[in-house]
Amino acid sequence: LAKTTQPISMDSYEGQEVNITCSHNNIATNDYITWYQQFPSQGPRFIIQGYKTKVTNEVASLFIPADRKSSTLSLPRVSLSDTAVYYCLVGASMFSGGYNKLIFGAGTRLAVHP
Amino acid sequence: NAGVTQTPKFRVLKTGQSMTLLCAQDMNHEYMYWYRQDPGMGLRLIHYSVGEGTTAKGEVPDGYNVSRLKKQNFLLGLESAAPSQTSVYFCASGRQSGNYEQYFGPGTRLTVT
Repeated sequence: LAKTTQPISMDSYEGQEVNITCSHNNIATNDYITWYQQFPSQGPRFIIQGYKTKVTNEVASLFIPADRKSSTLSLPRVSLSDTAVYYCLVGASMFSGGYNKLIFGAGTRLAVHP
Repeated sequence: NAGVTQTPKFRVLKTGQSMTLLCAQDMNHEYMYWYRQDPGMGLRLIHYSVGEGTTAKGEVPDGYNVSRLKKQNFLLGLESAAPSQTSVYFCASGRQSGNYEQYFGPGTRLTVT
């Protein structure tokens, strides 16, 4: 399983765009990149998943360069409620066999200030 | 649709005591998981199940046992609790096919004294 590296913490202000970059140099061909969000005293919540190029949903965008050795989670116009820990995970999808092997690192603690 | 629920929410045990944590999901998911999260750290997989009647070890299985007698329930047991098992325990479920998404419960905060 590919190891991921992401900043320990980030600070931002309301209304700004936040970009959190994750490094995964040893990503395998069939690995997907997935981001989860965790608020204090809650379980993680799925944000977005991608394989290559760009993926966008109602919450965030995920940018993946051609070599797939890194990815960037982009949160547009953050608010105070976006203060949370964000986890970048890399692993195979169900189709590669076995269970979803999620390996959580320490994540990035995002603090959004007024 | 309650999603994933966990019972109890909090528990304090003395060293050597036993207990069972219950996880239930109403989304008809095949896959279920138990994780633990220690302060300031990410989640670590304890055990998982790919279907009713099947279980398997994850990253940190020692000291824990699990059972999946019904598709919607996944039980985590501690036979002889130790202070090192003080943690927050999260249960999750996911579909057998499709994307990588796992749905997590609210967690159980366990303290072993």
